[in-house]
Amino acid sequence: GQNIDQPTEMTATEGAIVQINCTYQTSGFNGLFWYQQHAGEAPTFLSYNVLDGLEEKGRFSSFLSRSKGYSYLLLKELQMKDSASYLCAVMDSNYQLIWGAGTKLIIKP
Amino acid sequence: GAVVSQHPSWVICKSGTSVKIECRSLDFQATTMFWYRQFPKQSLMLMATSNEGSKATYEQGVEKDKFLINHASLTLSTLTVTSAHPEDSSFYICSARDQGTGDIYEQYFGPGTRLTVT
Repeated sequence: GQNIDQPTEMTATEGAIVQINCTYQTSGFNGLFWYQQHAGEAPTFLSYNVLDGLEEKGRFSSFLSRSKGYSYLLLKELQMKDSASYLCAVMDSNYQLIWGAGTKLIIKP
Repeated sequence: GAVVSQHPSWVICKSGTSVKIECRSLDFQATTMFWYRQFPKQSLMLMATSNEGSKATYEQGVEKDKFLINHASLTLSTLTVTSAHPEDSSFYICSARDQGTGDIYEQYFGPGTRLTVT
């Protein structure tokens, strides 16, 4: 079956760095997405990785290793507004998004 | 660009009634739209894929006669929850792909509709 695993909850301090991991097993692979979702709102796109390596976009970076079925989202210089759920999603061979359960990130001052 | 709207943003209805949720792509044409449902503290669950001018493709376990999807134009898809029950209370989110860019990977999400069935 298809499976995406990510931690349920993480806590970090304002100004610090946090890494959210995601492992996946899917039927086919057409890229991995990270989305941010604030409570009661729809997800917003953060990043897309289809090749191995690190993609940097401002304070956020995303890494992918296809051979290991592994990705992480790195958030630097954490701000209180970064408190949200972070969803890992993989596009399978049918171009359908398979979603992880999300990681709730709590930022403390 | 690439804005998707949903209406209503929230709705309360009585058990047994029907509710229609609209999903519109405001500045692009979307041949494909997706309908998701999200229960509290859970991830998004794909309900169905809606293609303009054809019948929707429903995911396993989703009743097509209960969740009616119509994608009559390139900018509008509707989801009607028929004979709603309290267990249908959830956050319903639509997303759309931009036909014009040819990018099959990007999905743009609407702001979601909070449905509460009493």
